[in-house]
Amino acid sequence: DVVLTQTPPTLSATIGQSVSISCRSSQSLLHSNGNTYLHWLLQRPGQSPQLLIYLVSRLESGVPNRFSGSGSGTDFTLKISGVEAEDLGVYYCVQGTHAPNTFGAGTKLELK
Amino acid sequence: QVQLKESGPGLVQPSQTLSLTCTVSGFSLTSNSVHWVRQPPGKGLEWVGAIWSGGSTDYNSALKSRLSISRDTSKSQVFLKMNSLQTEDTAIYFCTRVSPNYGSYYFDYWGQGVMVTVSS
Repeated sequence: DVVLTQTPPTLSATIGQSVSISCRSSQSLLHSNGNTYLHWLLQRPGQSPQLLIYLVSRLESGVPNRFSGSGSGTDFTLKISGVEAEDLGVYYCVQGTHAPNTFGAGTKLELK
Repeated sequence: QVQLKESGPGLVQPSQTLSLTCTVSGFSLTSNSVHWVRQPPGKGLEWVGAIWSGGSTDYNSALKSRLSISRDTSKSQVFLKMNSLQTEDTAIYFCTRVSPNYGSYYFDYWGQGVMVTVSS
């Protein structure tokens, strides 16, 4: 199975600070059809995960544009440009290029 | 609008069978696939299995011998059955939909989850 390694495991930030989360894959996530099925989820405390970014860099409808995704192959990054209080929670990367779907271990974003 | 809602018993005894239902609305099971994902307390997400729009299924290889996923399209329901439950199966179980957009394969909607505790 594909292993997704997220760093850092915990991120402390102040409101307004910009932060980045890394997700590295044990295999290239470029599918033979040309798509890269790497996505980002946010799970707020006590809630179910919600989709933020899909296909590396596409912003899900309704998600603030302070969130952005980038990367290719095996290295991917989620950036938050100006953390807000509602952004706190655990961020997961997830891949769908190779069966089975696998998730990163998560990055917990907390207030400093 | 698109909704998914899990239901099932909160407590299951070890070695018994878990039966969960995911009731969906706002979309058709014959046009969309639904997956199950679980999350042990305080831990990360684990893919459990899927039922595709055509009715075929895929399972986590570690759970395959104990797991069955089926559906009733007329009732817009997806079912998960897992036998020989162990304490390690204690988790929140989520059902989630794969986006129907052509060429896309990501989980766009999630249910609220149902907590299942395996204990005597």
